Amino acid sequence: DSGVTQTPKHLITATGQRVTLRCSPRSGDLSVYWYQQSLDQGLQFLIQYYNGEERAKGNILERFSAQQFPDLHSELNLSSLELGDSALYFCASSARGSPGLAGGYEQFFGPGTRLTVL
Amino acid sequence: GQQLNQSPQSMFIQEGEDVSMNCTSSSIFNTWLWYKQEPGEGPVLLIALYKAGELTSNGRLTAQFGITRKDSFLNISASIPSDVGIYFCAGQGANAGGTSYGKLTFGQGTILTVHP
Repeated sequence: DSGVTQTPKHLITATGQRVTLRCSPRSGDLSVYWYQQSLDQGLQFLIQYYNGEERAKGNILERFSAQQFPDLHSELNLSSLELGDSALYFCASSARGSPGLAGGYEQFFGPGTRLTVL
Repeated sequence: GQQLNQSPQSMFIQEGEDVSMNCTSSSIFNTWLWYKQEPGEGPVLLIALYKAGELTSNGRLTAQFGITRKDSFLNISASIPSDVGIYFCAGQGANAGGTSYGKLTFGQGTILTVHP
């Protein structure tokens, strides 16, 4: 158990709908990351938050958005869903947000949310 | 963007054999990490490497951070059936402007099958 929790475990929805994925980081971790895992693209970085602020963006679609709340949990919102959005979505957390420091930025992954868009 | 090439794509070995897999990149990284993922679960961190040339062990696992900062390898000694899974390398942070922050770039994964 990494200490990172994600809900729900599974989500089945229809095209055009909107869903929210939730993540609670490990106790004390300030940084949260979202990744998408699909068969054709592998594990892809979406977005990072550090202590409530957006820190880095990856290949995140405009239909997707995220935020980190004062209690440090994070939500990933996916809207106008398409069939191709079906994937595993992982949240990870680390103590710090910037590499180059002496440790504290190793990322620990949650169990993921499997999204199926029908 | 940055690309990681991980090889081999898959390995079928007998229990007790040693395993070696590696990752190469077109860009340098400040940190290399190795993860293992089992079906239906998230990646689990195995080893983190912070300095070029560093060699680190975790039980039967040994990993090295290449001198050029563009590659890393993972060895598993005396494999056992529970080693089955997908192993991923990941590189972290080296953009000159620091804009990549904590982003991980992952390899495509090595699928390991161990026959008893």
